[in-house]
Amino acid sequence: GQQVMQIPQYQHVQEGEDFTTYCNSSTTLSNIQWYKQRPGGHPVFLIQLVKSGEVKKQKRLTFQFGEAKKNSSLHITATQTTDVGTYFCAGIELYNFNKFYFGSGTKLNVKP
Amino acid sequence: DAEITQSPRHKITETGRQVTLACHQTWNHNNMFWYRQDLGHGLRLIHYSYGVHDTNKGEVSDGYSVSRSNTEDLPLTLESAASSQTSVYFCASRGQGNTGELFFGEGSRLTVL
Repeated sequence: GQQVMQIPQYQHVQEGEDFTTYCNSSTTLSNIQWYKQRPGGHPVFLIQLVKSGEVKKQKRLTFQFGEAKKNSSLHITATQTTDVGTYFCAGIELYNFNKFYFGSGTKLNVKP
Repeated sequence: DAEITQSPRHKITETGRQVTLACHQTWNHNNMFWYRQDLGHGLRLIHYSYGVHDTNKGEVSDGYSVSRSNTEDLPLTLESAASSQTSVYFCASRGQGNTGELFFGEGSRLTVL
């Protein structure tokens, strides 16, 4: 079945260092969404990428969608302690916009 | 403001008991989902509904059921709770169209002893 793999599972960085998490789908996606879950919280939507090769920025966060619409990445520049949490990608199936395939998440810890 | 609420937020129960987790949303969304979250597995889909009287099985539906009698609510029932169902459960809803995001409830932490 369709799968979305996400790496790394954990990342520990010093405040100010950069961070990247990657997602790869076994099949072509319609679009991909990214969510952030703070410790003890619930997933909160960050952004959606729809077009092949799309790049979007939100302040220090840069999101990319691959040309084949099968992979995506989230890059955080100069991490801050407020970035702590787990970042999930969710690939949306090509022909069923309600079918979300979540990656297993990358847990980011930032040391001050 | 529209919202999605889950109850109870925490529950401890015994093996074999029936448990129902409530989910209520005020966005008037047709699409509602139940996920469970366990370490190392991310979010796994249990059941989902695309509208009133519509329910569908997700990837980990065994031992769970849902019903959708109105737009606002999608209760999740564990018919006979098992220790393997100890988890954090998230309800989510989504509007129509191909680009809407999921709105998650705050989660229900269930412990089955």
